[in-house]
Amino acid sequence: GENVEQHPSTLSVQEGDSAVIKCTYSDSASNYFPWYKQELGKRPQLIIDIRSNVGEKKDQRIAVTLNKTAKHFSLHITETQPEDSAVYFCAASYYGGSQGNLIFGKGTKLSVKP
Amino acid sequence: GAVVSQHPSWVICKSGTSVKIECRSLDFQATTMFWYRQFPKQSLMLMATSNEGSKATYEQGVEKDKFLINHASLTLSTLTVTSAHPEDSSFYICSASIRGLSYNSPLHFGNGTRLTVT
Repeated sequence: GENVEQHPSTLSVQEGDSAVIKCTYSDSASNYFPWYKQELGKRPQLIIDIRSNVGEKKDQRIAVTLNKTAKHFSLHITETQPEDSAVYFCAASYYGGSQGNLIFGKGTKLSVKP
Repeated sequence: GAVVSQHPSWVICKSGTSVKIECRSLDFQATTMFWYRQFPKQSLMLMATSNEGSKATYEQGVEKDKFLINHASLTLSTLTVTSAHPEDSSFYICSASIRGLSYNSPLHFGNGTRLTVT
Protein backbone atom coordinates (compact mmCIF):
# COMPACT_ATOMS: atom_id res chain seq x y z
CA GLY A 1 0.00 0.00 0.00
CA GLU A 2 0.83 3.66 -0.07
CA ASN A 3 3.43 4.93 2.37
CA VAL A 4 4.16 8.59 2.98
CA GLU A 5 7.38 9.71 4.62
CA GLN A 6 7.69 13.27 5.93
CA HIS A 7 10.79 15.19 7.02
CA PRO A 8 11.80 16.83 9.22
CA SER A 9 9.71 15.92 12.24
CA THR A 10 10.50 19.26 13.85
CA LEU A 11 11.60 22.52 12.30
CA SER A 12 12.51 25.75 14.00
CA VAL A 13 13.04 28.94 12.02
CA GLN A 14 13.42 32.61 12.73
CA GLU A 15 10.57 34.91 11.80
CA GLY A 16 10.98 36.05 8.22
CA ASP A 17 12.99 33.02 7.15
CA SER A 18 11.71 30.32 4.82
CA ALA A 19 10.63 26.85 5.87
CA VAL A 20 10.66 23.74 3.70
CA ILE A 21 8.99 20.43 4.51
CA LYS A 22 9.52 17.41 2.29
CA CYS A 23 7.49 14.28 1.69
CA THR A 24 7.98 11.17 -0.36
CA TYR A 25 5.39 8.64 -1.40
CA SER A 26 5.63 5.10 -2.60
CA ASP A 27 2.61 4.49 -4.83
CA SER A 28 3.17 5.87 -8.32
CA ALA A 29 -0.61 5.77 -8.88
CA SER A 30 -1.17 8.51 -6.29
CA ASN A 31 -2.14 11.74 -7.99
CA TYR A 32 -3.42 14.10 -5.32
CA PHE A 33 -1.23 15.66 -2.66
CA PRO A 34 -2.72 18.03 -0.07
CA TRP A 35 -1.05 19.75 2.83
CA TYR A 36 -2.80 20.32 6.13
CA LYS A 37 -2.01 22.64 9.02
CA GLN A 38 -3.10 21.59 12.48
CA GLU A 39 -2.92 23.94 15.40
CA LEU A 40 -2.91 22.50 18.89
CA GLY A 41 -6.25 20.90 19.73
CA LYS A 42 -7.86 21.90 16.45
CA ARG A 43 -8.87 20.17 13.28
CA PRO A 44 -6.49 19.92 10.33
CA GLN A 45 -7.04 22.67 7.83
CA LEU A 46 -6.25 22.31 4.15
CA ILE A 47 -3.74 24.98 3.19
CA ILE A 48 -2.76 23.96 -0.31
CA ASP A 49 -2.98 20.97 -2.59
CA ILE A 50 -1.51 19.85 -5.88
CA ARG A 51 -2.54 17.33 -8.49
CA SER A 52 -0.25 15.19 -10.55
CA ASN A 53 -0.72 17.17 -13.75
CA VAL A 54 0.92 20.21 -12.15
CA GLY A 55 4.53 20.63 -11.03
CA GLU A 56 4.14 23.66 -8.83
CA LYS A 57 1.40 25.67 -7.20
CA LYS A 58 1.63 28.88 -5.22
CA ASP A 59 -0.73 30.73 -2.93
CA GLN A 60 0.73 33.90 -1.45
CA ARG A 61 3.50 32.80 0.96
CA ILE A 62 2.86 29.10 0.48
CA ALA A 63 3.99 26.98 -2.42
CA VAL A 64 4.07 23.28 -3.16
CA THR A 65 6.26 21.49 -5.69
CA LEU A 66 5.78 17.98 -7.03
CA ASN A 67 8.31 15.69 -8.69
CA LYS A 68 6.39 12.67 -9.93
CA THR A 69 9.46 10.94 -11.27
CA ALA A 70 11.17 11.02 -7.90
CA LYS A 71 7.84 10.66 -6.05
CA HIS A 72 8.38 13.53 -3.72
CA PHE A 73 6.64 16.81 -2.99
CA SER A 74 7.53 19.74 -0.80
CA LEU A 75 5.86 22.59 1.04
CA HIS A 76 7.58 25.95 1.00
CA ILE A 77 6.60 28.76 3.35
CA THR A 78 8.30 32.10 2.78
CA GLU A 79 8.51 35.08 5.13
CA THR A 80 7.41 32.94 8.04
CA GLN A 81 5.38 34.48 10.85
CA PRO A 82 4.76 33.29 14.42
CA GLU A 83 1.20 32.35 13.47
CA ASP A 84 2.62 29.82 11.03
CA SER A 85 3.69 27.76 14.05
CA ALA A 86 1.73 24.50 13.92
CA VAL A 87 2.00 20.89 12.85
CA TYR A 88 1.94 20.38 9.12
CA PHE A 89 0.87 17.12 7.51
CA CYS A 90 1.39 16.05 3.95
CA ALA A 91 -0.82 13.39 2.42
CA ALA A 92 -1.20 11.35 -0.73
CA SER A 93 -4.28 9.90 -2.27
CA TYR A 94 -3.87 6.12 -1.95
CA TYR A 95 -6.33 4.84 -4.53
CA GLY A 96 -5.96 7.74 -6.92
CA GLY A 97 -9.68 7.76 -7.55
CA SER A 98 -12.83 9.48 -6.45
CA GLN A 99 -12.73 8.25 -2.89
CA GLY A 100 -10.12 10.72 -1.72
CA ASN A 101 -8.67 8.14 0.64
CA LEU A 102 -5.67 9.94 2.06
CA ILE A 103 -2.59 8.52 3.69
CA PHE A 104 -0.86 11.04 5.93
CA GLY A 105 2.77 11.65 6.73
CA LYS A 106 3.76 11.74 10.38
CA GLY A 107 3.76 15.51 10.56
CA THR A 108 6.25 18.32 11.03
CA LYS A 109 6.09 20.60 14.01
CA LEU A 110 7.06 24.05 12.80
CA SER A 111 8.10 26.66 15.31
CA VAL A 112 8.62 30.23 14.15
CA LYS A 113 10.56 32.31 16.63
CA PRO A 114 9.80 36.02 16.76
CA GLY B 1 -17.23 26.71 2.45
CA ALA B 2 -18.00 23.12 3.23
CA VAL B 3 -18.65 22.43 6.91
CA VAL B 4 -18.33 19.16 8.74
CA SER B 5 -19.77 19.01 12.24
CA GLN B 6 -18.64 16.40 14.73
CA HIS B 7 -20.28 15.69 18.05
CA PRO B 8 -19.44 15.42 20.87
CA SER B 9 -16.21 17.39 21.01
CA TRP B 10 -15.10 15.49 24.08
CA VAL B 11 -16.41 12.58 26.11
CA ILE B 12 -15.33 10.71 29.21
CA CYS B 13 -16.67 7.24 29.71
CA LYS B 14 -16.08 4.26 31.93
CA SER B 15 -14.32 1.16 30.74
CA GLY B 16 -16.73 -1.31 29.19
CA THR B 17 -19.28 1.22 28.01
CA SER B 18 -19.96 2.29 24.42
CA VAL B 19 -19.62 5.73 22.94
CA LYS B 20 -21.20 7.06 19.74
CA ILE B 21 -19.62 9.87 17.75
CA GLU B 22 -21.54 11.67 15.03
CA CYS B 23 -20.17 13.28 11.91
CA ARG B 24 -22.44 15.48 9.82
CA SER B 25 -21.89 17.33 6.59
CA LEU B 26 -23.88 20.52 7.06
CA ASP B 27 -24.04 22.09 3.64
CA PHE B 28 -23.18 19.33 1.23
CA GLN B 29 -23.88 15.69 0.58
CA ALA B 30 -21.09 13.28 1.37
CA THR B 31 -21.26 9.84 -0.13
CA THR B 32 -17.97 9.06 1.53
CA MET B 33 -16.73 9.91 4.99
CA PHE B 34 -13.50 8.91 6.64
CA TRP B 35 -12.71 8.20 10.24
CA TYR B 36 -9.24 8.87 11.63
CA ARG B 37 -7.64 8.37 14.99
CA GLN B 38 -4.85 10.55 16.27
CA PHE B 39 -2.78 9.72 19.32
CA PRO B 40 -0.87 12.54 21.06
CA LYS B 41 1.92 13.96 18.94
CA GLN B 42 1.22 11.47 16.18
CA SER B 43 -0.24 11.64 12.73
CA LEU B 44 -3.77 10.91 11.65
CA MET B 45 -4.27 7.21 11.09
CA LEU B 46 -7.11 6.20 8.80
CA MET B 47 -9.41 3.76 10.55
CA ALA B 48 -12.14 3.22 8.01
CA THR B 49 -13.92 4.55 4.99
CA SER B 50 -17.64 5.01 5.44
CA ASN B 51 -19.82 4.73 2.34
CA GLU B 52 -23.45 5.80 2.36
CA GLY B 53 -25.75 2.84 2.12
CA SER B 54 -23.09 0.17 2.32
CA LYS B 55 -20.66 -1.40 4.75
CA ALA B 56 -17.61 0.51 5.84
CA THR B 57 -14.18 -0.49 4.66
CA TYR B 58 -11.78 -0.93 7.55
CA GLU B 59 -8.03 -0.50 7.47
CA GLN B 60 -5.81 -3.36 8.47
CA GLY B 61 -5.59 -3.76 12.20
CA VAL B 62 -8.84 -1.94 12.97
CA GLU B 63 -11.45 -4.16 14.59
CA LYS B 64 -14.74 -3.70 12.78
CA ASP B 65 -16.71 -5.26 15.63
CA LYS B 66 -15.25 -2.79 18.06
CA PHE B 67 -15.52 0.34 15.94
CA LEU B 68 -18.99 0.22 14.42
CA ILE B 69 -19.60 2.60 11.56
CA ASN B 70 -22.98 3.50 10.16
CA HIS B 71 -23.52 5.83 7.20
CA ALA B 72 -27.28 5.81 6.84
CA SER B 73 -27.68 9.08 4.97
CA LEU B 74 -25.72 11.40 2.74
CA THR B 75 -25.12 13.78 5.62
CA LEU B 76 -24.49 11.57 8.62
CA SER B 77 -21.94 8.95 9.61
CA THR B 78 -21.55 7.58 13.11
CA LEU B 79 -18.69 5.80 14.82
CA THR B 80 -19.51 3.72 17.88
CA VAL B 81 -16.65 2.59 20.08
CA THR B 82 -18.02 -0.52 21.77
CA SER B 83 -16.82 -1.85 25.09
CA ALA B 84 -14.32 0.96 25.37
CA HIS B 85 -11.04 0.44 27.17
CA PRO B 86 -8.42 2.95 28.33
CA GLU B 87 -6.25 2.17 25.31
CA ASP B 88 -9.08 3.44 23.10
CA SER B 89 -8.56 6.89 24.55
CA SER B 90 -7.61 9.07 21.62
CA PHE B 91 -8.66 11.92 19.36
CA TYR B 92 -11.14 10.71 16.76
CA ILE B 93 -11.75 12.87 13.76
CA CYS B 94 -13.97 12.46 10.74
CA SER B 95 -13.71 13.97 7.33
CA ALA B 96 -15.90 14.10 4.27
CA SER B 97 -15.49 14.50 0.57
CA ILE B 98 -18.01 16.58 -1.33
CA ARG B 99 -20.21 14.50 -3.57
CA GLY B 100 -20.17 15.27 -7.23
CA LEU B 101 -16.87 17.07 -7.54
CA SER B 102 -14.04 15.82 -9.68
CA TYR B 103 -11.98 13.08 -8.18
CA ASN B 104 -9.72 13.67 -5.28
CA SER B 105 -11.75 16.59 -4.02
CA PRO B 106 -10.37 18.07 -0.81
CA LEU B 107 -11.34 16.59 2.49
CA HIS B 108 -13.09 18.69 5.09
CA PHE B 109 -12.51 17.73 8.68
CA GLY B 110 -14.77 17.80 11.68
CA ASN B 111 -13.51 19.34 14.92
CA GLY B 112 -12.70 15.96 16.35
CA THR B 113 -13.76 14.13 19.50
CA ARG B 114 -11.45 13.68 22.45
CA LEU B 115 -12.34 10.32 24.02
CA THR B 116 -11.08 9.48 27.48
CA VAL B 117 -11.86 6.05 28.88
CA THR B 118 -11.37 5.69 32.61
